[in-house]
Amino acid sequence: GAVVSQHPSWVICKSGTSVKIECRSLDFQATTMFWYRQFPKQSLMLMATSNEGSKATYEQGVEKDKFLINHASLTLSTLTVTSAHPEDSSFYICSARDPELYEQYFGPGTRLTVT
Amino acid sequence: QQQVKQSPQSLIVQKGGISIINCAYENTAFDYFPWYQQFPGKGPALLIAIRPDVSEKKEGRFTISFNKSAKQFSLHIMDSQPGDSATYFCAARVGSDDMRFGAGTRLTVKP
Repeated sequence: GAVVSQHPSWVICKSGTSVKIECRSLDFQATTMFWYRQFPKQSLMLMATSNEGSKATYEQGVEKDKFLINHASLTLSTLTVTSAHPEDSSFYICSARDPELYEQYFGPGTRLTVT
Repeated sequence: QQQVKQSPQSLIVQKGGISIINCAYENTAFDYFPWYQQFPGKGPALLIAIRPDVSEKKEGRFTISFNKSAKQFSLHIMDSQPGDSATYFCAARVGSDDMRFGAGTRLTVKP
């Protein structure tokens, strides 16, 4: 299957700082990418849908001003957690959708720890 | 809102046995049903998927059984191996919409 990368794979930051996570589709162009959050032993919770060249669509209850999403190119979407707090600590996973098959390919995830 | 209900939450199977994970859905507009496998600290990986026009799809040791009238589908892992120990998620999607995931099943295959 197609490859989606995420960077960094893990990050520790202090409370109040901002953290940027990158998601790249390596061998196909993705007009649509998704950002998920996963708590330990739980399912994936969709945070937002990112469309290239337009504003992201956020799920109900997700603060758009806190979780900034930018999808500036067909192979890159970024999630910035602004003014991070310990409760933002989680596993963040992105996925990119193949525009021909509509299949979603997931990145390896980013473990965020806010101290 | 859980659009796809998955069971059991956890499953322990002996090596060589059959692992069975079930999912049920309500939205009859769903037209694509994938299963994902996730190892700890990793992202989910597509395992196998089915569309509602077929009742069964097999790929190696993995089989999806689909019952459209009952709005249920299941994953069967034959000859389960310790390396199959992971969390499995069923999912469903309408057209090009985003994927809706089940709660996940943690499978442990004992040697």
